[in-house]
Amino acid sequence: DAGITQSPRHKVTETGTPVTLRCHQTENHRYMYWYRQDPGHGLRLIHYSYGVKDTDKGEVSDGYSVSRSKTEDFLLTLESATSSQTSVYFCAISDSGKTTEAFFGQGTRLTVV
Amino acid sequence: AQSVTQLGSHVSVSEGALVLLRCNYSSSVPPYLFWYVQYPNQGLQLLLKYTSAATLVKGINGFEAEFKKSETSFHLTKPSAHMSDAAEYFCAVSSDRGSTLGRLYFGRGTQLTVWP
Repeated sequence: DAGITQSPRHKVTETGTPVTLRCHQTENHRYMYWYRQDPGHGLRLIHYSYGVKDTDKGEVSDGYSVSRSKTEDFLLTLESATSSQTSVYFCAISDSGKTTEAFFGQGTRLTVV
Repeated sequence: AQSVTQLGSHVSVSEGALVLLRCNYSSSVPPYLFWYVQYPNQGLQLLLKYTSAATLVKGINGFEAEFKKSETSFHLTKPSAHMSDAAEYFCAVSSDRGSTLGRLYFGRGTQLTVWP
């Protein structure tokens, strides 16, 4: 298995609070991604990174920010959590970014109450 | 832009029957295509990928998929279903442009149920 660790694995938080999810990789892959998975929507890209300090928005980036200060860590922050952000969040990594497949973490189940 | 359509959000088959999960893609240039499987409470695992080397791609667990450019399809098949194949399956296409290299566009998923 690719070395990807997501933390925490489960979190319950209150509306309006900031939340940070962490993705840590030991593969030295260049590309890192944050997706959210919701029933009936598949996986949708929130943000991604193509290098240290190089990030870009995905299709559902509103209310989220990211940071990548080291190759191995990619942080996703919900600035002020809302109930619509209750979801399962997956981190993924890939090497060349094109033909090479992405490897996924185990996911973080976030509930906003 | 890239997009993927998976036809059928739920597919049910009997054990031993053919599995056919449908995927159509939209792409202005030759795509890179993937099938992933997700078992309950787990992350996604790659089943197979198409990267233009061969149109018929074999993957793990007896699955295979055929790239048909004329039909813009990449359907996933398995000759004989096993109970252990019950999972959710996602088709994905890879972006091929500039800074969005590697970005995966996913279909909405197909839940496969296998009956004994």
